[in-house]
Amino acid sequence: SQQGEEDPQALSIQEGENATMNCSYKTSINNLQWYRQNSGRGLVHLILIRSNEREKHSGRLRVTLDTSKKSSSLLITASRAADTASYFCATDSGGGSNYKLTFGKGTLLTVNP
Amino acid sequence: DTGVSQDPRHKITKRGQNVTFRCDPISEHNRLYWYRQTLGQGPEFLTYFQNEAQLEKSRLLSDRFSAERPKGSFSTLEIQRTEQGDSAMYLCASSFSPPRGYGYTFGSGTRLTVV
Repeated sequence: SQQGEEDPQALSIQEGENATMNCSYKTSINNLQWYRQNSGRGLVHLILIRSNEREKHSGRLRVTLDTSKKSSSLLITASRAADTASYFCATDSGGGSNYKLTFGKGTLLTVNP
Repeated sequence: DTGVSQDPRHKITKRGQNVTFRCDPISEHNRLYWYRQTLGQGPEFLTYFQNEAQLEKSRLLSDRFSAERPKGSFSTLEIQRTEQGDSAMYLCASSFSPPRGYGYTFGSGTRLTVV
């Protein structure tokens, strides 16, 4: 079953604009991770935010986490054509040492040059 | 170590045949995961190993599926008597336990087409 749901399902923007993707989930989590997937390829880890963190930055990426609303957002600033990909949020909600990821359906981001 | 390797990249098989996929994780990682992804969907968890022990299997993993990780190194995923519904991308990932700040490392996947 898939815990997370990304919103929107698809997003098309112009190069240089910012892109914001949202993720909602259902159960309590240890951490939440964002991944990127280029068409037909494997997933690339972008950023991990722990349940006791509220915001994290990495380069042009900014992630927020609101555990009270069970939601997260990924902001990509100054987007580039190379950012075109599917973006997935994944929650790690296993108890004890039962770490495993549950993915949403993803947001397809298209950055037009 | 250049990451997680999966072999083959693509596999086309006839319905009813058996197929086996291989995953070579990052050698320092003790956790290895298998996921399945169909078109337009996110990856779905199948099973994971801690070293050589298989700790959890999803209900998606029917009795036609079996996974092994002998000696806690590479892993194989076998599908017996393949069905058209098995067509998907099979992804392998590895990580430390507990996962560190850089999450899980995924391979490029094996795309299975059952005709």
